Parts: sequence; structure tokens; C-alpha cells
Amino acid sequence: QQQVKQSPQSLIVQKGGISIINCAYENTAFDYFPWYQQFPGKGPALLIAIRPDVSEKKEGRFTISFNKSAKQFSLHIMDSQPGDSATYFCAASIQGTYKYIFGTGTRLKVLA
Amino acid sequence: DTAVSQTPKYLVTQMGNDKSIKCEQNLGHDTMYWYKQDSKKFLKIMFSYNNKELIINETVPNRFSPKSPDKAHLNLHINSLELGDSAVYFCASSQVRGGSYEQYFGPGTRLTVT
Repeated sequence: QQQVKQSPQSLIVQKGGISIINCAYENTAFDYFPWYQQFPGKGPALLIAIRPDVSEKKEGRFTISFNKSAKQFSLHIMDSQPGDSATYFCAASIQGTYKYIFGTGTRLKVLA
Repeated sequence: DTAVSQTPKYLVTQMGNDKSIKCEQNLGHDTMYWYKQDSKKFLKIMFSYNNKELIINETVPNRFSPKSPDKAHLNLHINSLELGDSAVYFCASSQVRGGSYEQYFGPGTRLTVT
């Protein structure tokens, strides 16, 4: 119940294309869903986050879509660029538990 | 200025040794964390401290001992290092009380045990 399942494990997209990464969870108590971006040799950096009271959140080229009934959420990267090549992690958290449960990560490569 | 910093960045040591990793945050956050990222990039929480109090202690061998001397610092001491301890260790911080859930990560310490 504490797992967050992330797919795909790796993704190759052409420059200008849309990258889509999906996550699914079981625990309906989760109430915060962030996405992190990690470049090689660096720490994960918060990209965008959503709470379950909204179905979509957009920041620049990055959009989170959230489907509460299906217990799924996804990250869409529009107009993908080679500089977006990184590993992306979804996560879920429960208020007051201090704890993030991370997905297994998706290695994105955007071809120039 | 670096928000969450860790030292050292790289640590190479032999099995059986004892080593420490240090973390400092200048964000004024009340909660700090240690994560382990294995070779498959999987991120798993190890410990969390809120206002110097241990609040999360996952199933981690007791060779690992965290210490938080104050809200801005969290250290990780590892005794009797084993090959399986080789990983990247990340420190993170967040403001939980009256704040958001956002966790900010340090640059990581790559530990290699030979």
C-alpha cells in the first residue's frame, strides 16, 4: 500500500516531442504528489507538485495530470529538449508523516 | 548560496572502517532527512529528524547512526562499513510546521566501499 509504481523505466523522445511519465499509487491517504528531476551527479530537484484537490497543474512546459479515482498521476513534458534529459521521480506523501515514497524513476533521453 | 550542502562529495573506504557524512541546510527548515540511492537509482528514506528529534527510522542496520546537533545540521555515522553500503547518500530538508511538504536535496555523497 505504501508503494508508488512508476513507468516507463526509460524513455527516448525526439526533440520537440511530448514526454509522458506515469505513476500509480494504492494508499488513498496520500495527499501530496511531487515530481523530481535528477541530473547525473546531482541531487533530485523539485520540478512541480500537485495536491489531490486539483486535476491538473501546469508550470511552463511541465504539466501534472491527476486522476484521483484511478489513483494515477502523470508528468507531461511538452516540447521536450535535450536539456530535459535526466531521471525523473514521482513521489507521494501523507501530511504529517514527514515521509516521501518515491517511484523507481524514469530515465528520459531527448534526442537532438 | 548552497541551500543544502553535504561533505564529503566522494568517500572511498575499505570494509570494516567507520566513516561520517555531514549535512547542513541554511533554509531555516525544521526537518532533515537522509536518503540512500542505490545503483538502480532507487531512492529510499533512512532517517528523518524534526527539530533535532528522530521521527523516522526505517529498517536500517544499527551500524548507521544519525545525529542532529541542531536544526541546521544532520550527520550520518556508519560503523563497520560493508560492500553493500556503497551508494549515494542524500541529505534533504523541509519546513513541515506551517510550511509546505517540499523537500530540498543536497548534492549527495558517493560512498564506495572496497
